[in-house]
Amino acid sequence: SQQGEEDPQALSIQEGENATMNCSYKTSINNLQWYRQNSGRGLVHLILIRSNEREKHSGRLRVTLDTSKKSSSLLITASRAADTASYFCATAISGGGADGLTFGKGTHLIIQP
Amino acid sequence: DADVTQTPRNRITKTGKRIMLECSQTKGHDRMYWYRQDPGLGLRLIYYSFDVKDINKGEISDGYSVSRQAQAKFSLSLESAIPNQTALYFCATSDPSVGAGNTIYFGEGSWLTVV
Repeated sequence: SQQGEEDPQALSIQEGENATMNCSYKTSINNLQWYRQNSGRGLVHLILIRSNEREKHSGRLRVTLDTSKKSSSLLITASRAADTASYFCATAISGGGADGLTFGKGTHLIIQP
Repeated sequence: DADVTQTPRNRITKTGKRIMLECSQTKGHDRMYWYRQDPGLGLRLIYYSFDVKDINKGEISDGYSVSRQAQAKFSLSLESAIPNQTALYFCATSDPSVGAGNTIYFGEGSWLTVV
């Protein structure tokens, strides 16, 4: 079963605007990761935030984690056409083994030029 | 060259045929995975392997089998393909070390169509 659920399922914004997508999960986690998938391609790791961290930055990406609400958000600032992709959150469940990384269904982001 | 290489990248096969998807990696990771992706369903884990002698079923292993031929090679077989196995298949590896947090590295995917 899928642990993480992204919201919204789809998002369309103008180039230059900020894009925010959210992820909710159900059980205690060791860390939460965000991945990007360009159409028909493999997923690429973007950023990892540990359960004891509240915010993390990487370039134009900002991730927050609220373990009390079991939620995370991914903010992409100053969006570009090349950011058009699907974004997935994945949670590493506390005590989980190789199958402890569970993916949500993704948010499909479209950046309008 | 890609760290995780899948072959073939595209395949159309007939119902009832046996098909093998191959995966090789140069990342030196012990952990390898096969995922399946269907539109609207996200990624689902088929099989995973901690090392050459350790194979485990994932969420949707029925109708599939795997072989870990070496640390770097992990193949997925559909013994008798059926149309609802039409999907995009991903091989992946991961680094379970504390620093990496089990970050997963994906191949480019294999599109399989069963007609």
